[in-house]
Amino acid sequence: GESVGLHLPTLSVQEGDNSIINCAYSNSASDYFIWYKQESGKGPQFIIDIRSNMDKRQGQRVTVLLNKTVKHLSLQIAATQPGDSAVYFCAENSGGYQKVTFGTGTKLQVIP
Amino acid sequence: KAGVTQTPRYLIKTRGQQVTLSCSPISGHRSVSWYQQTPGQGLQFLFEYFSETQRNKGNFPGRFSGRQFSNSRSEMNVSTLELGDSALYLCASSSSGQPVYEQYFGPGTRLTVT
Repeated sequence: GESVGLHLPTLSVQEGDNSIINCAYSNSASDYFIWYKQESGKGPQFIIDIRSNMDKRQGQRVTVLLNKTVKHLSLQIAATQPGDSAVYFCAENSGGYQKVTFGTGTKLQVIP
Repeated sequence: KAGVTQTPRYLIKTRGQQVTLSCSPISGHRSVSWYQQTPGQGLQFLFEYFSETQRNKGNFPGRFSGRQFSNSRSEMNVSTLELGDSALYLCASSSSGQPVYEQYFGPGTRLTVT
């Protein structure tokens, strides 16, 4: 079936370095993508989104890149901080209102 | 502005019992979605309600049901609990009636079935 998956389950990054979290999706009809951050004991927190008519979107310290040709999504975090340590999920929607399909998650560990 | 609240935060039930979980969305939000999160299956969409109507449903058995009240508060019910229903149940609210909009998640209800 349709799926949204992640390349790496765990990513360790030195504090101050940039982080890149990757995500592959298989549904070519997906038109909206979201990145979420989930800290221990909390629900997912919206980070940034991008629609399929764009290939790049920037937020505060974060950038999402979308490559529809290879169905690949990435989240870049600049100057990674200890507070960025969490599990990051990519998610996609293909038009079903709030029906969002989540990827499996990548755990980001920031080394002080 | 208060965030999404879920009650109870923790729950222990026995196989065969039923359970009701509650979600209060952010004030003014009319869309409420429910998700199940487990280590094995990750985050899976259960259903979404908007203005008391179920607009979308995931691939869960009929034992999982929900409803939304006129004040946008929502409940989900799981009947005849199975061990595999042990999970974190998350509720998310959204202000927009448009297809997919920024969702705000609550802290979840941790359900353990023994």
